Amino acid sequence: KAGVTQTPRYLIKTRGQQVTLSCSPISGHRSVSWYQQTPGQGLQFLFEYFSETQRNKGNFPGRFSGRQFSNSRSEMNVSTLELGDSALYLCASSLNSAQSTDTQYFGPGTRLTVL
Amino acid sequence: QKEVEQDPGPLSVPEGAIVSLNCTYSNSAFQYFMWYRQYSRKGPELLMYTYSSGNKEDGRFTAQVDKSSKYISLFIRDSQPSDSATYLCAMSTYAGNNRKLIWGLGTSLAVNP
Repeated sequence: KAGVTQTPRYLIKTRGQQVTLSCSPISGHRSVSWYQQTPGQGLQFLFEYFSETQRNKGNFPGRFSGRQFSNSRSEMNVSTLELGDSALYLCASSLNSAQSTDTQYFGPGTRLTVL
Repeated sequence: QKEVEQDPGPLSVPEGAIVSLNCTYSNSAFQYFMWYRQYSRKGPELLMYTYSSGNKEDGRFTAQVDKSSKYISLFIRDSQPSDSATYLCAMSTYAGNNRKLIWGLGTSLAVNP
């Protein structure tokens, strides 16, 4: 079974631009969560989607948004990029809910650099 | 102060050593405790999952939870170079659909042949 895939793997953007990241979960998984990982803050939860609905949300500004499609694929968007948005963005999928005891399977991440 | 504290290391040990990785936390409501391993350029993968207090063993890995001290540990016996990675602890309370995982910053481990 193929794992979680994320595209692109690397991105370089400049301040003020916007970016869209894509995540394809494991086949059959309906829950997709997004995390931001930085050396100083570690892994921080952005949001979770389940059956095309946002079910949980972390403490990030409204510039961070996401959506999930009927095939469970998910995208996250960051608008008006800031230098502090430079991070590894990780997507994780699970069968039912990312916040239950279901195991989360992580993708390799998208490394975003904002100049 | 962060809810979950984890020594970032780096920790360097010889092959075959016993490794002890630790996290402390402040929220006594945490009941679910996890250890993830993250290799360079990869996403985290779940190693161990423990509910409430006690020990859990899986091969060379043992997870311990001491809720009275708000302290969790991961022990790796007979460490191998392939264990070289960053180890992250994560934990959550039980609160229905609003449960959120809180993560430690991770400890970088290098096992030298």
